[in-house]
Amino acid sequence: ELKVEQNPLFLSMQEGKNYTIYCNYSTTSDRLYWYRQDPGKSLESLFVLLSNGAVKQEGRLMASLDTKARLSTLHITAAVHDLSATYFCAVDSPPSNTGKLIFGQGTTLQVKP
Amino acid sequence: EPEVTQTPSHQVTQMGQEVILRCVPISNHLYFYWYRQILGQKVEFLVSFYNNEISEKSEIFDDQFSVERPDGSNFTLKIRSTKLEDSAMYFCASSAPGQWFFTDTQYFGPGTRLTVL
Repeated sequence: ELKVEQNPLFLSMQEGKNYTIYCNYSTTSDRLYWYRQDPGKSLESLFVLLSNGAVKQEGRLMASLDTKARLSTLHITAAVHDLSATYFCAVDSPPSNTGKLIFGQGTTLQVKP
Repeated sequence: EPEVTQTPSHQVTQMGQEVILRCVPISNHLYFYWYRQILGQKVEFLVSFYNNEISEKSEIFDDQFSVERPDGSNFTLKIRSTKLEDSAMYFCASSAPGQWFFTDTQYFGPGTRLTVL
């Protein structure tokens, strides 16, 4: 069964610093998603990565996918307080292609001034 | 911008009672999902639904759970006899047809917090 693991699970960082969140998954999948969740809120789609080597950037966040290593990274550049949230990666569960997403545990990011 | 809506935002029920959680997916979307998130834990897949049929369901989605699209706009999740462990946030999601069916982004609703006493 597909397993998705994120690390770290909690990240406290200073504004202006860079950091990377890692998402590993256990079986082959070509589709990976990153979501953001603010406390008590729903999940907001950040990125969809659909192929090996895919890289997407939005503001201070950049996501990449290495399907051979079964690894995605979410890189935060020059963090600001507004980025404080929990970030989930999710992988489309093969082989059924029914939209079943398996989520990682989430990484709670706290950006301190 | 179109969004997924869910009602109620919070439902409190007694153990053994039936609850129906309602969702209105984005209007041109064809694929619908339910997920749940127990407080502080990860998001878990319950069921996916397409063309008026369940496409896949998880082990959590046992005989106590059912889904329905009763009309052209609503998508419901029914729990027949709630248990304490059903207490969670339930999210509805929908996606548009993608190049390979379900690969398009799933858009999540705001959730219904279900509390079973």
